[in-house]
Order: sequence, then C-alpha cells, then structure tokens
Amino acid sequence: GQNIDQPTEMTATEGAIVQINCTYQTSGFNGLFWYQQHAGEAPTFLSYNVLDGLEEKGRFSSFLSRSKGYSYLLLKELQMKDSASYLCAGPRRDSNYQLIWGAGTKLIIKP
Amino acid sequence: NAGVTQTPKFQVLKTGQSMTLQCAQDMNHEYMSWYRQDPGMGLRLIHYSVGAGITDQGEVPNGYNVSRSTTEDFPLRLLSAAPSQTSVYFCASSFYRGANTGELFFGEGSRLTVL
Repeated sequence: GQNIDQPTEMTATEGAIVQINCTYQTSGFNGLFWYQQHAGEAPTFLSYNVLDGLEEKGRFSSFLSRSKGYSYLLLKELQMKDSASYLCAGPRRDSNYQLIWGAGTKLIIKP
Repeated sequence: NAGVTQTPKFQVLKTGQSMTLQCAQDMNHEYMSWYRQDPGMGLRLIHYSVGAGITDQGEVPNGYNVSRSTTEDFPLRLLSAAPSQTSVYFCASSFYRGANTGELFFGEGSRLTVL
C-alpha cells in the first residue's frame, strides 16, 4: 500500500534552519500536503505541492520530487512558537477524496 | 467565523455505550470527514462525505456510522464503544472541487476515553 515516512522527532535551535523530510514507500501521490499541529490542538494547513520544485511562503518552504517520492518542509529563522508536530499527507492513488498521513515529526526548538 | 465546531470536547464512555460526536461547519464546504489520531500513528480516516446525502468509508470505518443530511452537519456515531476506540477524533472540512480534498479545516478535536 501507500505509506508515508517521517522522522519521529527533531531538535533545532532558535534562529536556525531545519528541514523535515517526508518520503513515500511507493510512488504515485498526486501532490503532498504539509500541516502543523501544536500539542493539544488541531492540525492547520501549511502548504500543498502538486508540481515538483520548491514553493516558498514566508519563513516556510516546501519541496516536492514526485519521481523520487520525496518532500521536505524547510523552516527558517526558527522561533519558539514553531515547536509543534509537522504532518505530511498525500491523496490515495485510488481515491483523491482520501488522504494518507505520516505519523508526524515533533520539532523541539531550544533557545 | 465559527469554522468547524465539534462537540463534546471530552467524553468518557463505558464499554458498550453508544454516543454521537457532533460536527458542524459554516463555510459551505462540500467535503467533510472524520479522523482519529492515536499516539505514534498518522491521522486515520474513518468516514467522509462529498456532499449532502453522500457518505463513504475511509480507512478505519468499523464501529462507526455517519450521515450527512445537510451540508453543514456531519455527526459520527459510535454504535457500541470499545476500549480500542479511545482516541482523539477530528472533524475536517474543505472546498472539495474534484481534484483532491484541498486544504482541510479541522475542528478542535474530541478526546474520547472508553473504559
């Protein structure tokens, strides 16, 4: 089936840059979503990549390579409020109505 | 703007009890869905709907029912609660336009414990 893998946890320093990777076990996602989820809260949308390449949105950028089954979220000028889990998700091959989600990467920001 | 409203936020049930989680959105979204989130796992889709009168099963539908009588409301019913249904439940909606779900807007979540 389609699986999405992300690192479980990452640590970075305030003001630095961090890259969170997301890889597919099998090919065929028609685009990839990134969401942010603070502890005890609901996920909120960050980005959607449908084409290969880098999309920049302020301090956050997201990259997609469909041929390599690989995406990353790049966070620049890290702030303490960026401490959260980051979830990637892709539409199922057989149903665009359904998303398959990675387990999320917990990002810890240290002063 | 209320967005997506879920109730209750917390609920404790005994095994075998039934209950309904309510979800309402005021954004005129066609697409609505229910997810459960468990530690160490990705969000898992329970049921979804692409419009009033239309529902379908997701990845983990067993033990749950849904209905979509209006565009605004999408309740999730637990038929006979089991400890395995202890989880955090999220309702999410979007302007589905055929390509994919699009940006999902989530409710605040409902934390359910089944004893």
